[in-house]
Amino acid sequence: DARVTQTPRHKVTEMGQEVTMRCQPILGHNTVFWYRQTMMQGLELLAYFRNRAPLDDSGMPKDRFSAEMPDATLATLKIQPSEPRDSAVYFCASGFPPGDLYEQYFGPGTRLTVT
Amino acid sequence: AQKVTQAQTEISVVEKEDVTLDCVYETRDTTYYLFWYKQPPSGELVFLIRRNSFDEQNEISGRYSWNFQKSTSSFNFTITASQVVDSAVYFCALIDPLGNDMRFGAGTRLTVKP
Repeated sequence: DARVTQTPRHKVTEMGQEVTMRCQPILGHNTVFWYRQTMMQGLELLAYFRNRAPLDDSGMPKDRFSAEMPDATLATLKIQPSEPRDSAVYFCASGFPPGDLYEQYFGPGTRLTVT
Repeated sequence: AQKVTQAQTEISVVEKEDVTLDCVYETRDTTYYLFWYKQPPSGELVFLIRRNSFDEQNEISGRYSWNFQKSTSSFNFTITASQVVDSAVYFCALIDPLGNDMRFGAGTRLTVKP
């Protein structure tokens, strides 16, 4: 049963520290999405990659966030320096549009708390 | 710009009641896909259904049914004979024809009481 995996599942860090979240997409999926979920903003698309190339990161605060896909099995989302307002659940999803009729398969999320 | 509106923030029902979750969307695309996801208390997002813009047939899956009406830009979700395990946040979502930009509604928190 193929799944998207994310590490760590939980992260507590102090303001100013660097945070790196990792995602392993489902093998064969060529598109990876990063979402952020907060109570105030709901689920927001931060960035997505196709065939490892960034297609859109307009939803991401550029000054402190960066997303990369060093290889087909790993996507990373980095925050440096982190701030309390970054506290949220970060979801990674993968897919291969238009395959599976555009369905995105979500990972379990990384719950980030910045104190 | 694409937009999904779930006007019901929270709904509370008693077990065995039927409940309908509303979803209204906006898009300029003629081809698009609509989705419903369930987020139980454990936090993961569980795919429930997808519907493309050319298929207006209603769908039933067990106690779940979906009513897609292009004329009113709505894609409503009904749970028949609700159960406590249905308690979750339900999200409606819309994706563009390239499969890139998925927009989620704010979600509806459903609580089913025994």
